[in-house]
Amino acid sequence: DGGITQSPKYLFRKEGQNVTLSCEQNLNHDAMYWYRQDPGQGLRLIYYSQIVNDFQKGDIAEGYSVSREKKESFPLTVTSAQKNPTAFYLCASSPLLAGGEQYFGPGTRLTVT
Amino acid sequence: AQSVTQLGSHVSVSEGALVLLRCNYSSSVPPYLFWYVQYPNQGLQLLLKYTSAATLVKGINGFEAEFKKSETSFHLTKPSAHMSDAAEYFCAVKNFGNEKLTFGTGTRLTIIP
Repeated sequence: DGGITQSPKYLFRKEGQNVTLSCEQNLNHDAMYWYRQDPGQGLRLIYYSQIVNDFQKGDIAEGYSVSREKKESFPLTVTSAQKNPTAFYLCASSPLLAGGEQYFGPGTRLTVT
Repeated sequence: AQSVTQLGSHVSVSEGALVLLRCNYSSSVPPYLFWYVQYPNQGLQLLLKYTSAATLVKGINGFEAEFKKSETSFHLTKPSAHMSDAAEYFCAVKNFGNEKLTFGTGTRLTIIP
């Protein structure tokens, strides 16, 4: 089955620790995205990538980092510099087509205490 | 810059009644428009999309939306609500040549038995 996987589903970390969220897709999509979701705020774009070894900051990139070493993988690291990291994180991918929709993974809920 | 406004963060309808979720966009050119649905603790699933073909777009689960350029609207409707429609719904816009989606803040739909 083609799709996007995110692991783990739930993640708990202590304040001050970096944590990496996994995102893998087997849809052969060129573009991949990371969003943060907080109640009442919709989805906010953290980073996106349209090609291997290249990525761009979204609207709320501070305190986050990404890499795109393989087409199918786009891991997100939440660093200790992120002031409020507790949130639901969603990964998505899309083909580079006009009007192409984004396909979403199941999400990772990160709790930092 | 493009933006999306969803009127009503919470909407309640009786089972069997009409569902109407409102979405207005601002864009300098006719955009691509999308409606997504999200069930609790899950990723987003595409309901339907407008890509400048027919202005009335039919989607999954009996939902449809009509693109009205004069009103800059893309409201989502379903003639008869079902209990399984209870979820959060997001409207999103993308302009030609821009791979980023801009999301509204979402509307939580509650179905009253």
